[in-house]
Amino acid sequence: EPEVTQTPSHQVTQMGQEVILRCVPISNHLYFYWYRQILGQKVEFLVSFYNNEISEKSEIFDDQFSVERPDGSNFTLKIRSTKLEDSAMYFCASRDRTTSTGELFFGEGSRLTVL
Amino acid sequence: AQKITQTQPGMFVQEKEAVTLDCTYDTSDQSYGLFWYKQPSSGEMIFLIYQGSYDEQNATEGRYSLNFQKARKSANLVISASQLGDSAMYFCAMFPSRGYNKLIFGAGTRLAVHP
Repeated sequence: EPEVTQTPSHQVTQMGQEVILRCVPISNHLYFYWYRQILGQKVEFLVSFYNNEISEKSEIFDDQFSVERPDGSNFTLKIRSTKLEDSAMYFCASRDRTTSTGELFFGEGSRLTVL
Repeated sequence: AQKITQTQPGMFVQEKEAVTLDCTYDTSDQSYGLFWYKQPSSGEMIFLIYQGSYDEQNATEGRYSLNFQKARKSANLVISASQLGDSAMYFCAMFPSRGYNKLIFGAGTRLAVHP
C-alpha cells in the first residue's frame, strides 16, 4: 500500500541551526501539507502546497519556515534558525484531489528536538 | 471561527465494550468534511473514518462508526467491541470547506482499554 515517508525520524539540533525535514508524498497525490504537534498538545496546521506554490499557511509559518518541492518526489520543510519552541513532531501529509473522502495520508512524523 | 472541541481528555473502557468519543465542531460553511484519526504511542496518525456534511447516512468502517448530528454540530466516534490495541489518542478533525487547504484538529481524547 502506498504511503507517505518522512526522514529523519528524529533529529536533534542546536538552537539557531537550520533544519530540513524531508517527505516523499504518495506518488500521484497533488496536495501536500505540513503539520506539527508539540508534545502533549494538539496537531497544528502549518502549510498546504499545491501546484508548486503555497495555497495556505498558518500564523505559525513565519519567515523562518519555507517549503519546497525540489523534484517530482520530495517535499521539504526548512526551518532557517531553529528555536527551542520549534521542538515538536512534524507530520507531512498528502492528498489525491480525486479522492472523494478528501482523506489526508500522514507520514509517521519527524521528531525535532532543539537544544 | 472554525473550531473542533473534544471535551473528554481521557476515557476508559473495558475490553469488548463499546465506547463513544465526543466531538463538536463550529463552522459557518455549508460544505465540510469530518475525520477521526488514531494516534498510538508510536506517534503516527492513522485515518479511521470520514463523514461529509451532505452525507445522510452515518459513516461506518468496521468497528468504527460516526454518529453525525448535523443540527447539533456533533460527530461522535463510536468504537464497538473495544480491543486492547485501541488504546491510543483519538483526534477529531475537520476540513472547513471543499477547498481542503487546512485540516483543523481537536485537542484529542486519550482512550485506555482495560482487559
